[in-house]
Amino acid sequence: NAGVTQTPKFQVLKTGQSMTLQCAQDMNHNSMYWYRQDPGMGLRLIYYSASEGTTDKGEVPNGYNVSRLNKREFSLRLESAAPSQTSVYFCASSEYRLSYNEQFFGPGTRLTVL
Amino acid sequence: EDKVVQSPLSLVVHEGDTVTLNCSYEVTNFRSLLWYKQEKKAPTFLFMLTSSGIEKKSGRLSSILDKKELFSILNITATQTGDSAIYLCAVVFPQGGSEKLVFGKGTKLTVNP
Repeated sequence: NAGVTQTPKFQVLKTGQSMTLQCAQDMNHNSMYWYRQDPGMGLRLIYYSASEGTTDKGEVPNGYNVSRLNKREFSLRLESAAPSQTSVYFCASSEYRLSYNEQFFGPGTRLTVL
Repeated sequence: EDKVVQSPLSLVVHEGDTVTLNCSYEVTNFRSLLWYKQEKKAPTFLFMLTSSGIEKKSGRLSSILDKKELFSILNITATQTGDSAIYLCAVVFPQGGSEKLVFGKGTKLTVNP
């Protein structure tokens, strides 16, 4: 089992470019999450999907969209990247609905927006 | 305003010392509090606390919650260099028909040999 995988590991964008961060889990988990982590800021929840077919906003959803493509995959899209979106992005999943105590995190994507 | 506040923000100790990390929170209808350890990459789960006064323990790490005073502490005894990490506290609470999770900014612990 690979657990939670994220692609790409690193990405540099110019302001205004768009891109999609991919996340997949092979643990048959129901809930999936996207976080961003900035220096000195802890993690902030961007969007989450409690179960396949549902998505909901977290703490900082502005500038992002998500798609729960199927039970395995949960993608995060930046339509028009801004320097303020420079961050490390973590995807996570949990077996039970919104069971935060059982989240498994991916390795992260380091995104720089110039 | 910050819902979850951790202190101190950073801490440097020597191997063998005991440390206490603090997490205070201010949310309506608190559900649970979680502690994570983050080394170089992704956070890993340590404890979940839902009831006051019950200590959770795992080896040299322990944590306790005070729901009346709205805080939790994480204790690490006989620290080792491998304990060097950022320790994150997070609180789960209901909002908008669902449950939300909010993290504190973390405490960076450095254990020197």
